[in-house]
Amino acid sequence: EVHLLESGGELVQPGGSLRLSCAASGFTFSSYGMSWVRQAPGKGLEWVSVISGSGGDTYYADSVKGRFTISRDNSKNTLYVQMDSLRAEDTAVYYCAKQSDIGVTGTLDYWGQGTLVTVSS
Amino acid sequence: DIVMTQSPLSQPVTPGEPASISCRSSQSLLHGNGYNYLDWYLQKPGQSPQLLIYLVSNRASGVPDRFTGSGSGTEFTLKIRRVEAEDVGVYYCMQALQTPPTFGQGTRLEIK
Repeated sequence: EVHLLESGGELVQPGGSLRLSCAASGFTFSSYGMSWVRQAPGKGLEWVSVISGSGGDTYYADSVKGRFTISRDNSKNTLYVQMDSLRAEDTAVYYCAKQSDIGVTGTLDYWGQGTLVTVSS
Repeated sequence: DIVMTQSPLSQPVTPGEPASISCRSSQSLLHGNGYNYLDWYLQKPGQSPQLLIYLVSNRASGVPDRFTGSGSGTEFTLKIRRVEAEDVGVYYCMQALQTPPTFGQGTRLEIK
């Protein structure tokens, strides 16, 4: 059974940094791309970033480009996102999601339960 | 970026009655391989999103057959044959053709 467990969300001040993790199990982690998707309070879904199965390809939403860095450790079955220069508008629940294949496009077939990031002074 | 537009944004439905949600994309979602890269997700209250239908019309594992997806190009529809109480939540369409993937605004299905 596929299981994705995010962690690392907390209250952080504007301009601060945070690293989120997503521990994966139940599938061959390195064979699938992985994405981060966020949801601001009371709002819809916004895709944030994606990384291919090998880690060689990464893409970012314009809203986070240059501030967020996605990475993965296939030996630990774990996905990360390093978030720097955080802004109030980054406040959201962050979900990790498994892509349906090894690339950076396609269906998000499994989602974690999410972790809340709050950016506020 | 491809813009996804859903309608209606809210749909009250009587249990046992059908429901339909429309999703329109600003560009064709038809890939050269012949597939339209359009997915539907359901976010039930207090839960994370879950895949409902992929590639327009394929139900994800465990999804009841009362859910049906159709469409091609830029016009897509999700239909629920007979709504049940457990179907309440927000439905999102998402284009998976290009990066960045983009979602519709969401359609809130509620029981009358």
